[in-house]
Amino acid sequence: KNQVEQSPQSLIILEGKNCTLQCNYTVSPFSNLRWYKQDTGRGPVSLTIMTFSENTKSNGRYTATLDADTKQSSLHITASQLSDSASYICVVSGNTGTASKLTFGTGTRLQVTL
Amino acid sequence: KAGVTQTPRYLIKTRGQQVTLSCSPISGHRSVSWYQQTPGQGLQFLFEYFSETQRNKGNFPGRFSGRQFSNSRSEMNVSTLELGDSALYLCASSWFASGGATDTQYFGPGTRLTVL
Repeated sequence: KNQVEQSPQSLIILEGKNCTLQCNYTVSPFSNLRWYKQDTGRGPVSLTIMTFSENTKSNGRYTATLDADTKQSSLHITASQLSDSASYICVVSGNTGTASKLTFGTGTRLQVTL
Repeated sequence: KAGVTQTPRYLIKTRGQQVTLSCSPISGHRSVSWYQQTPGQGLQFLFEYFSETQRNKGNFPGRFSGRQFSNSRSEMNVSTLELGDSALYLCASSWFASGGATDTQYFGPGTRLTVL
């Protein structure tokens, strides 16, 4: 069964600190992996999309890594800001690239405090 | 450029009623996907429409249905509402069929449905 597991479930960090969120998946065959940020009460916003051949992609202070061999991805946030407080969702797309093959993680809830 | 819009934003219904939610995609986008989000289950795929045709359907009962119009606007309908249908319903639009390697999905703000 295709699954995406994220850890930790929740995280509290001080403003200015770095953090890393983890995503392990068992989706096969693999097409791409996406990270989304979802603010409370709003829809998810795409941060990065990585295909099989990419092992790192950055979007400002967000850097995603992908190890397709071990089926692991991480999202690293540098110099966190209060506005980074949100849920971060890892989504893996199967090889056909259709919506029905999208498998969602349940997210990591990040809280950045002063 | 306007983003994805969903109406209504909030809705309260009682068990047994039916509900219709609307989604207007970003101009030019032909793919609209619908998702249900609950605290316990996270995001779950409902269905996807592309050029007025349903391309894919998730594992939801037949009470959940949808359609897409020629202007790419989409509606989803839930009949005979149950308490467990209380959730945030999100739609997302993209140029091509969602899930493609280079295609970003843009989500709307969602419709919060509460079934009493």
